[in-house]
Amino acid sequence: AQSVTQLGSHVSVSEGALVLLRCNYSSSVPPYLFWYVQYPNQGLQLLLKYTTGATLVKGINGFEAEFKKSETSFHLTKPSAHMSDAAEYFCAVSLPNAGKSTFGDGTTLTVKP
Amino acid sequence: GAGVSQSPSNKVTEKGKDVELRCDPISGHTALYWYRQSLGQGLEFLIYFQGNSAPDKSGLPSDRFSAERTGGSVSTLTIQRTQQEDSAVYLCASSLTKIPGDTQYFGPGTRLTVL
Repeated sequence: AQSVTQLGSHVSVSEGALVLLRCNYSSSVPPYLFWYVQYPNQGLQLLLKYTTGATLVKGINGFEAEFKKSETSFHLTKPSAHMSDAAEYFCAVSLPNAGKSTFGDGTTLTVKP
Repeated sequence: GAGVSQSPSNKVTEKGKDVELRCDPISGHTALYWYRQSLGQGLEFLIYFQGNSAPDKSGLPSDRFSAERTGGSVSTLTIQRTQQEDSAVYLCASSLTKIPGDTQYFGPGTRLTVL
């Protein structure tokens, strides 16, 4: 079984500041990891994913995440927040032998001018 | 189509009534997933289709919930005798293959309100 914990249901940053959204996972085997973004009244959109290979993964809109096995973490970062980044972000994990994903409860990102 | 579509976008029903929610996946995608998103919570897996068969139904919360997929395309999620706790946004996703890690593309969801 696998699980995901997103630390902080709400994160607020100023425009131009660093964005850090935390995600820790629990899995019996090396997992696949995902970050999704959900804008108001829209479906989820994949930001980035880690399956194998390089542990630093770059995604869309300037986001990146690093898979740290020793810390069982997959934190999402962006060097400089933009107003358009305000949304809800979900971390998800799936097992290499299963198609379904297990999602965290989400983190709402607010960007202040 | 260009993306995953779902209908209706909103559904209000009375407790005890049956509802059907529809998902049209991206053309050619063989895998289809249903999730439920309750207010302030993450997504809860319901069921997964590969083609027309459902190898994983483990997330269906009760026998009031059922789903089918026909022609390897459209899927319908049916909730019988709806209860207030069924109120949520129901999301459908599709992926090109069943390979874990393959990108899932999500539809905009159906918001179900049970009065």
